[in-house]
Amino acid sequence: GDSVTQMEGPVTLSEEAFLTINCTYTATGYPSLFWYVQYPGEGLQLLLKATKADDKGSNKGFEATYRKETTSFHLEKGSVQVSDSAVYFCALYHTGGFKTIFGAGTRLFVKA
Amino acid sequence: EAQVTQNPRYLITVTGKKLTVTCSQNMNHEYMSWYRQDPGLGLRQIYYSMNVEVTDKGDVPEGYKVSRKEKRNFPLILESPSPNQTSLYFCASSSLTGGRTEAFFGQGTRLTVV
Repeated sequence: GDSVTQMEGPVTLSEEAFLTINCTYTATGYPSLFWYVQYPGEGLQLLLKATKADDKGSNKGFEATYRKETTSFHLEKGSVQVSDSAVYFCALYHTGGFKTIFGAGTRLFVKA
Repeated sequence: EAQVTQNPRYLITVTGKKLTVTCSQNMNHEYMSWYRQDPGLGLRQIYYSMNVEVTDKGDVPEGYKVSRKEKRNFPLILESPSPNQTSLYFCASSSLTGGRTEAFFGQGTRLTVV
């Protein structure tokens, strides 16, 4: 069945460092791909999404490109801030299954 | 404001005492679901509903019940809670039309069963 694998955390970075969180998926067809972010004490919220191959989703300085050939959707940010400290979830949505499948989440700590 | 509202935010209960966690959304979404979040396991779907009176099991439905009598509400019921149901629970909703497939989440309910 469909699945999402993302790098284990926690990831600890200094402010202004470059961030990459890897995400790969297994799915038939052409799912939509998402990154959600969960700030402490809150629910998940959509960070960015891409609905077809080679699409790039971007928001708040974060980017991810839908790579069908490598079945990947890695999250990147050029310069992280302390306020980016959160848990990041990669997810896919398959119209046929009407279900969102989440990765295990990656906790990011950013130090001042 | 578009939102998903869960109540309560925190709950401590004893084994076997029935409880209900409420969930309501104001976006007229067809699809609603419940997840539990446990360390290292990410989010696992408990139950979902594609519309009023249409519900189905997710990946971890044992020990839970749901109902969908109105489009906006999707309560989660634990008839006889056990300590292994101690977890962080999230309700989510999304549209099945218009190409907007992202999920909107509630704030979460932290449940402790002793």
